[in-house]
Amino acid sequence: EAGVAQSPRYKIIEKRQSVAFWCNPISGHATLYWYQQILGQGPKLLIQFQNNGVVDDSQLPKDRFSAERLKGVDSTLKIQPAKLEDSAVYLCASSKGTYQPQHFGDGTRLSIL
Amino acid sequence: DAKTTQPPSMDCAEGRAANLPCNHSTISGNEYVYWYRQIHSQGPQYIIHGLKNNETNEMASLIITEDRKSSTLILPHATLRDTAVYYCIVKVSSGSRLTFGEGTQLTVNP
Repeated sequence: EAGVAQSPRYKIIEKRQSVAFWCNPISGHATLYWYQQILGQGPKLLIQFQNNGVVDDSQLPKDRFSAERLKGVDSTLKIQPAKLEDSAVYLCASSKGTYQPQHFGDGTRLSIL
Repeated sequence: DAKTTQPPSMDCAEGRAANLPCNHSTISGNEYVYWYRQIHSQGPQYIIHGLKNNETNEMASLIITEDRKSSTLILPHATLRDTAVYYCIVKVSSGSRLTFGEGTQLTVNP
């Protein structure tokens, strides 16, 4: 089966600009996750969707980050405006359900100048 | 979720078994042990998980002690492509959040 697809693979922007990342999960996976991974650290969950609905966004900086999952399939994560500390790899993962293992994409590496 | 402790780094010779330990002394009865690995510039990859019985799949074996306070991931015949950071994660079965620690950097040497 095809894996989790993410784009773009790399993105460079200046601080205070906006940026968006796209994720296409594995077909049939109802649960979708966005993680942030800062260099040298493990991934940290930002937001979790179950179909269209948000299940957990407790660690999402809502003043600048937003995410949506229209029609329960693809998802986008947006940062506006970006700060220097947002430089990280943004990983998308999906699973068949909340009890199932998560499968990750290769992420988008974001650099803020 | 219970906290886990892993050695920061390990080395293994190619073709030999790699045994990666994990301590989770505060694990609760409804918490599973999950293992993921992350190869450089890739996303984490699911390896295996278990509750209290030993588990084996095509990638690895998971040995959980009887008191469930520690576990060992075994890669039976390590190859150079197994060089990665290995994460041991304890997670409640009904919860989805994966809380990643710093993991173990496994280096397989030729």
